[in-house]
Amino acid sequence: KAGVTQTPRYLIKTRGQQVTLSCSPISGHRSVSWYQQTPGQGLQFLFEYFSETQRNKGNFPGRFSGRQFSNSRSEMNVSTLELGDSALYLCASSYTSGRNEQFFGPGTRLTVL
Amino acid sequence: GQQVMQIPQYQHVQEGEDFTTYCNSSTTLSNIQWYKQRPGGHPVFLIQLVKSGEVKKQKRLTFQFGEAKKNSSLHITATQTTDVGTYFCAASNTDKLIFGTGTRLQVFP
Repeated sequence: KAGVTQTPRYLIKTRGQQVTLSCSPISGHRSVSWYQQTPGQGLQFLFEYFSETQRNKGNFPGRFSGRQFSNSRSEMNVSTLELGDSALYLCASSYTSGRNEQFFGPGTRLTVL
Repeated sequence: GQQVMQIPQYQHVQEGEDFTTYCNSSTTLSNIQWYKQRPGGHPVFLIQLVKSGEVKKQKRLTFQFGEAKKNSSLHITATQTTDVGTYFCAASNTDKLIFGTGTRLQVFP
């Protein structure tokens, strides 16, 4: 089976812009979770989607949003980018739940200038 | 909210020495998972512990879940340079995984 894929792998944006990141889970996996990883804060949970519905949400502002499509592919959007949004954004998929073994993608490295 | 602390934050060892990282939660956990992230890579699942007092081994790695299901440890015997990376525990309580702060392991040959 192909692993979790994320596009783009690298992204440079400026403050105030918005960005959309994409994640394709492992075939058959219906749960997709998003995490933000920074050196200072570690791995922070953003949200989880299952069957096109947001099932759980972390403590991030409303500028961070996501969605899931019928084929389980997921996108996350960050609007009005801030310098502090610079991070590695990791997508992880699982067959049924964000609490089970997570299969991570390679991540998207976002730099906000 | 629930917090998961890991110690130490960093550990530098000579190849062949042992290494242990500890994970502590403020609340009782349903299960705990361990992940390894190589430098420049992404987290990779290692194992899941579910039962109180559970001990599992994977070659040189030994994982333990505390009796009260509030703490866990990962012990590596005779480290090798291939063990370099950051080790995360991830606690599952209700509806999501909470990742620990991670322990970065550096192994000197």
